[in-house]
Amino acid sequence: AQKITQTQPGMFVQEKEAVTLDCTYDTSDPSYGLFWYKQPSSGEMIFLIYQGSYDQQNATEGRYSLNFQKARKSANLVISASQLGDSAMYFCAMRVLASGGSYIPTFGRGTSLIVHP
Amino acid sequence: DAMVIQNPRYQVTQFGKPVTLSCSQTLNHNVMYWYQQKSSQAPKLLFHYYDKDFNNEADTPDNFQSRRPNTSFCFLDIRSPGLGDAAMYLCATSRVGQAAEAFFGQGTRLTVV
Repeated sequence: AQKITQTQPGMFVQEKEAVTLDCTYDTSDPSYGLFWYKQPSSGEMIFLIYQGSYDQQNATEGRYSLNFQKARKSANLVISASQLGDSAMYFCAMRVLASGGSYIPTFGRGTSLIVHP
Repeated sequence: DAMVIQNPRYQVTQFGKPVTLSCSQTLNHNVMYWYQQKSSQAPKLLFHYYDKDFNNEADTPDNFQSRRPNTSFCFLDIRSPGLGDAAMYLCATSRVGQAAEAFFGQGTRLTVV
């Protein structure tokens, strides 16, 4: 069975510094996709970044980058130059093939990030 | 500009009184999902539609039903809400494919009194 693990319930970072949020996964499928989402207190899930299992390069999107280590089955999110607005819950997710033929996002438990001024 | 819209944002219902949550999308995506998210927990998939094909998760209680009358709309019906059903309910859509990101609505926070 596929599984996503986020071991950091909470993280604190000083404004303008970088922070790494950990994510490990487990799957026997050679082809998979990993996502990170941000969920502010308002509740909406906001897509941040995607990494495919066959992608040669680590994904980057602005201040977000994904440190993908396939052999270790880890896909850590790095946020550079943290801003106060980055304070939120962050979820790592993997799309797994469901019985209906669709790929379903399956989420880790999340990490609460607080950015201090 | 909102692409996935959930109504209402907040819903208070009485114990045992049926309630319906709605979701609409302007993205024309084939797949729509309903997730339940309780405080400090990961979103839990209840069911999803691939076009009109309904797929129920094995551990979704019978108390939860869904309808998708057309591509744009999807409804979550809770037939007899219990106190344990109080949660945030998230609707999401996506295209088909492993790399397709899911687009979420703002959620409906359900309170059962």
